[in-house]
Amino acid sequence: DGGITQSPKYLFRKEGQNVTLSCEQNLNHDAMYWYRQDPGQGLRLIYYSQIVNDFQKGDIAEGYSVSREKKESFPLTVTSAQKNPTAFYLCASSMELAAGDTQYFGPGTRLTVL
Amino acid sequence: AQSVAQPEDQVNVAEGNPLTVKCTYSVSGNPYLFWYVQYPNRGLQFLLKYITGDNLVKGSYGFEAEFNKSQTSFHLKKPSALVSDSALYFCAVRDILSSASKIIFGSGTRLSIRP
Repeated sequence: DGGITQSPKYLFRKEGQNVTLSCEQNLNHDAMYWYRQDPGQGLRLIYYSQIVNDFQKGDIAEGYSVSREKKESFPLTVTSAQKNPTAFYLCASSMELAAGDTQYFGPGTRLTVL
Repeated sequence: AQSVAQPEDQVNVAEGNPLTVKCTYSVSGNPYLFWYVQYPNRGLQFLLKYITGDNLVKGSYGFEAEFNKSQTSFHLKKPSALVSDSALYFCAVRDILSSASKIIFGSGTRLSIRP
């Protein structure tokens, strides 16, 4: 987990609220990613960013939004439009977007909707 | 289209015995292959990857994996299991012609090592 921090570790949200998950990296990586993990499933890509001020939708972007104003930061907002947001959210980074680059992961944020 | 399969949801091994966690893949071109480990309520930790070259890849914590192109497999192995190896293991694949965003993760295999 070294080099990538996520906060908070646990987050509780009421119906209809937007919440923002933080992701910071000090690895000087250009590319950053957000994944969602549900029990018994692999990771699913929500959004990714190759460089500052640029980001692309992944496979399940609906109900989520991101920003990339700084190289080291890639916050994820879970909006009220996300119908089933309870999950474990993982942020990752890689040096570039090249196919051989290894993605390194943060410790995750567990979001629960009350 | 890319896909990866981990055919076993759970693998149980006695401490000291060899372990194997299976992974098969499908890509249109040549693959890059990765193994990650996840401990409870933690992020994924990188174990090893195959890019090119020697089919036997050595990684962290004594793990290794063998790339078998004819069988489209990349099984994770360790000669002697430790109780501390108990965790969730993910295989991942990416076509060499795709970007890093196109990595596909398997559904995971839970490895349980009994003392």
